[in-house]
This record gives sequence, structure tokens and C-alpha cells, in this order.
Amino acid sequence: SQQGEEDPQALSIQEGENATMNCSYKTSINNLQWYRQNSGRGLVHLILIRSNEREKHSGRLRVTLDTSKKSSSLLITASRAADTASYFCATPLIQGAQKLVFGQGTRLTINP
Amino acid sequence: DTEVTQTPKHLVMGMTNKKSLKCEQHMGHRAMYWYKQKAKKPPELMFVYSYEKLSINESVPSRFSPECPNSSLLNLHLHALQPEDSALYLCASSQPTGPIFYGYTFGSGTRLTVV
Repeated sequence: SQQGEEDPQALSIQEGENATMNCSYKTSINNLQWYRQNSGRGLVHLILIRSNEREKHSGRLRVTLDTSKKSSSLLITASRAADTASYFCATPLIQGAQKLVFGQGTRLTINP
Repeated sequence: DTEVTQTPKHLVMGMTNKKSLKCEQHMGHRAMYWYKQKAKKPPELMFVYSYEKLSINESVPSRFSPECPNSSLLNLHLHALQPEDSALYLCASSQPTGPIFYGYTFGSGTRLTVV
């Protein structure tokens, strides 16, 4: 079974709006990562947040982590058409291990 | 060079064919991975190589045979595949396990169709 579950499964917004995606996971984690995948392409690593961090920013991206609720959120501000993609959270299944397990993903569509 | 290069980008093969997928990285990463991704699903781990040794096999059928000839190369040999094996096959690399873990670098994938 997948470690992470994401919601919503699909999200469609207008360009310029903010997009928020949520991820829940089941076991204790060392870190949580977010990846973007354009249609039919490879995944691109966006941001990593460690278990002792609560919030992290990278450009228009803001990630939060709540280890007590085993959940994380990814906020994309001022969305652009180029942000249209699938977004996956991923966690190492074992403390510090290399094995990443991905959530189901959120398909984000930005309408011009 | 911060890329993972996968070849071919597309592959169509019959069920009796033998083919290989190739992956190359020059980032000095010592862990490499094969993932399989079906449409509208997340990537699923198949194999992990760490320091050129197979460290994880996720109970993948023997018709998939990985090989890591050196620290930069990863192959996936395919034989007697089934139509349900059609998928996007992704290669990734990373630094090995450690307290600092920067995530994976993925290749663009090979779109495999088994006919």
C-alpha cells in the first residue's frame, strides 16, 4: 500500500490563484519530499522538508509539515499555466533509507 | 552534469522479444533505482542498487532483470514481457543513505509498450 495519500486527486484553478495540495502518511518519517511530473515525463524534485521542520519556502512554493497529524501541504502561489502537472509527495519508508514511496498524486490544471 | 539520461525514450516490443533499457548519470551518485509507473498512478519501486550492488528487489518478476555495470550505468533487461507490463519506466539516482538526503534525480523515462 502507498505510504502517502493525497487530496484532492485533481484540482483545476485559474491562473494567478493559489493551489493547495495535501498529503497524509502513515509511519514515522525522516523527511517528506514533493515532486512534480509533467505529462508523461520524469519527476522533478521540488522541495524536501525534514521531520524537525514545520515550514519551508522555495520561490512560489510553501510546504508545511505536521508530524503530529502525519500530514503535509504544498502551496503554490500566483499559479502559472506552466505549473500544470501532477504533484506527488514521497517519504522514505524506513528512517533515512533510500526507498521512497510516493503518494497517489494530485493532478493540477491551471486555466489561462 | 545534473541529469539522468534514459534510452530509448520509447520502445515497442513483442512478447517474445528481448530488449534493454539504459540509464546513465554522472553526478557521482552511488544509489540508482528503477521505478515503474502506470497511467495516472504513482511510481512504484522495482529495484535499488547501492554501491553497484542490488539492495532492494520489490518482488519483481524474473522477466525483469536489472544490472549495474558501474557506478554510472544502470540497465533493465526485459524478456518475455506481458502486455500489462506496458508502462513508463523511470530511472533515478541519489546519494546513498545518510542523515542528509536530498531526494532523487529522475530521468525522463522510457515509455514501453508490449504488443
